[in-house]
Amino acid sequence: EDKVVQSPLSLVVHEGDTVTLNCSYEVTNFRSLLWYKQEKKAPTFLFMLTSSGIEKKSGRLSSILDKKELFSILNITATQTGDSAIYLCAVEALGGNQFYFGTGTSLTVIP
Amino acid sequence: EPEVTQTPSHQVTQMGQEVILRCVPISNHLYFYWYRQILGQKVEFLVSFYNNEISEKSEIFDDQFSVERPDGSNFTLKIRSTKLEDSAMYFCASSGRLAGGVKNIQYFGAGTRLSVL
Repeated sequence: EDKVVQSPLSLVVHEGDTVTLNCSYEVTNFRSLLWYKQEKKAPTFLFMLTSSGIEKKSGRLSSILDKKELFSILNITATQTGDSAIYLCAVEALGGNQFYFGTGTSLTVIP
Repeated sequence: EPEVTQTPSHQVTQMGQEVILRCVPISNHLYFYWYRQILGQKVEFLVSFYNNEISEKSEIFDDQFSVERPDGSNFTLKIRSTKLEDSAMYFCASSGRLAGGVKNIQYFGAGTRLSVL
């Protein structure tokens, strides 16, 4: 059965800390891996990763994919209280129109 | 910035009733999706829709569910004979296509919270 596993399930850090969120997957016919940030309602897109070893960056956030070991990490440096959210990892698979989500990592940043 | 719009934001219904959740995807997008998130649980894929037909569906998407794109702008999810366990947040998403045929990222709507009593 295809699956996406995220760790840790929850994380509490202080402002300024750096965090690393993990996503491992076992999905048939992998196409892409996506990271989303979910605050109150709808997930908002962060990154799409399709190639191994190429880091994607957006401000304090960065992500990289390892297709050999079947995982991705999302790094957030110099965390701020506004980073508090659930971070979701999703994998696109099969014909390219089915997506599997992990349970998410709940990040809380304390002032 | 273009966005995916979902209505209503909250739908309350009695068990056994039928509900229709509505979504207006981003206008030039070609791929449409429905997801479900039961409170405290992960986002679950339900169905994807392309070229006026279902392209993929999960095991959750059984005969109780159907989707339609009735008028070229709306994308609806119909749930027949609702059950208590259908209570969840339902998200619609859409994506376009970049040059070269690469599918673009998914943009999510704000969701419809369905409460089945």
